Amino acid sequence: RKEVEQDPGPFNVPEGATVAFNCTYSNSASQSFFWYRQDCRKEPKLLMSVYSSGNEDGRFTAQLNRASQYISLLIRDSKLSDSATYLCVVNLRYGGSQGNLIFGKGTKLSVKP
Amino acid sequence: DVKVTQSSRYLVKRTGEKVFLECVQDMDHENMFWYRQDPGLGLRLIYFSYDVKMKEKGDIPEGYSVSREKKERFSLILESASTNQTSMYLCASSKDRTFSGANVLTFGAGSRLTVL
Repeated sequence: RKEVEQDPGPFNVPEGATVAFNCTYSNSASQSFFWYRQDCRKEPKLLMSVYSSGNEDGRFTAQLNRASQYISLLIRDSKLSDSATYLCVVNLRYGGSQGNLIFGKGTKLSVKP
Repeated sequence: DVKVTQSSRYLVKRTGEKVFLECVQDMDHENMFWYRQDPGLGLRLIYFSYDVKMKEKGDIPEGYSVSREKKERFSLILESASTNQTSMYLCASSKDRTFSGANVLTFGAGSRLTVL
């Protein structure tokens, strides 16, 4: 089983739609989680960290389910500018040691007018 | 905001040439990383450095070396470029490797290398 798995998509949705991505991870030692956004031919940029209690930032909601080992990203009221690839990132960290970031391959979102 | 600057956005080199990719960060970060990104393969870690003159191999170090002579600068070196090293190369930095709280990984804009 791959360490971090995402549906590659593409997810093609109309403007205004709600879309959700899931990401599963295999290592229960994973301690912190992130969603990065990557526009075409640009670098990945942090979208949001994912907290155990779930967190929201405007139209974006991230949730963590440790029991089932997955994180999710929900985008409400999709905008054309949300079109990008969304990377799930998991930090493996054993005890007090330094972490090791594992990247998913990304889920491509295309928002259409 | 942290700024990570990669000196070359686009390079075209010939097989066998020596290639230097330079990266500079301006936030006094301890850790610097080099990744490559290829379609269908995602981001793969080549090397990272947690201190000046220190380096650690990542997942795919073969064919690459690195240099960290100063804290702010991390160079990736292809001693003899090959066509399978055609890729997008991304430099990144972080304060430390706990990646907790506000300490996250910040990327440069990338260097797209084509080896002919």
